[in-house]
Amino acid sequence: EAGVTQFPSHSVIEKGQTVTLRCDPISGHDNLYWYRRVMGKEIKFLLHFVKESKQDESGMPNNRFLAERTGGTYSTLKVQPAELEDSGVYFCASSQGVWVIDSPLHFGNGTRLTVT
Amino acid sequence: EDQVTQSPEALRLQEGESSSLNCSYTVSGLRGLFWYRQDPGKGPEFLFTLYSAGEEKEKERLKATLTKKESFLHITAPKPEDSATYLCAVQYTGFQKLVFGTGTRLLVSP
Repeated sequence: EAGVTQFPSHSVIEKGQTVTLRCDPISGHDNLYWYRRVMGKEIKFLLHFVKESKQDESGMPNNRFLAERTGGTYSTLKVQPAELEDSGVYFCASSQGVWVIDSPLHFGNGTRLTVT
Repeated sequence: EDQVTQSPEALRLQEGESSSLNCSYTVSGLRGLFWYRQDPGKGPEFLFTLYSAGEEKEKERLKATLTKKESFLHITAPKPEDSATYLCAVQYTGFQKLVFGTGTRLLVSP
């Protein structure tokens, strides 16, 4: 089975520009998560979709970040306008079951975002 | 705020030299503890889930154990291909999100 796919793998943009990250989960996985790792820090939760609905967006840093999952398939994460502190690696993960404890997350390889 | 602390930050072993990695967590409300392996440029890869104190899980040269306040990842007779960053993550009751530690970077030399 194909894994979680993220695009692009790298993105370098200037402060103030807009960037959109895309995630294609494993087929049939209703649960989709976004996580982020900034330099030297731990991986941190951003938000969780169940199908097309946002289940938990408590980790979104501010209103410059917008996540969507139209039709409950792929998801996009838009950063507008980007700031220097947004630099990091953005991971997407998906799982089949509702409960993480019973259905471990499968992670993509991440998008490395650099804001200059 | 719930915290997950991993130690050591980095560990260098000779091939065949066994050791353990530690993960300690905020005690109340643990729903499950997860171990992941991450290779450079890749996403975390799931290894184990531990649910309750006293539980153990094994996979090849790796064994994960859980006590009431910490977890250990024991690596027996490691090989160079075991070199990676090992991440610990915790799920707390009432939340679906995982709280990650900063990881332990393991390097196994031949």
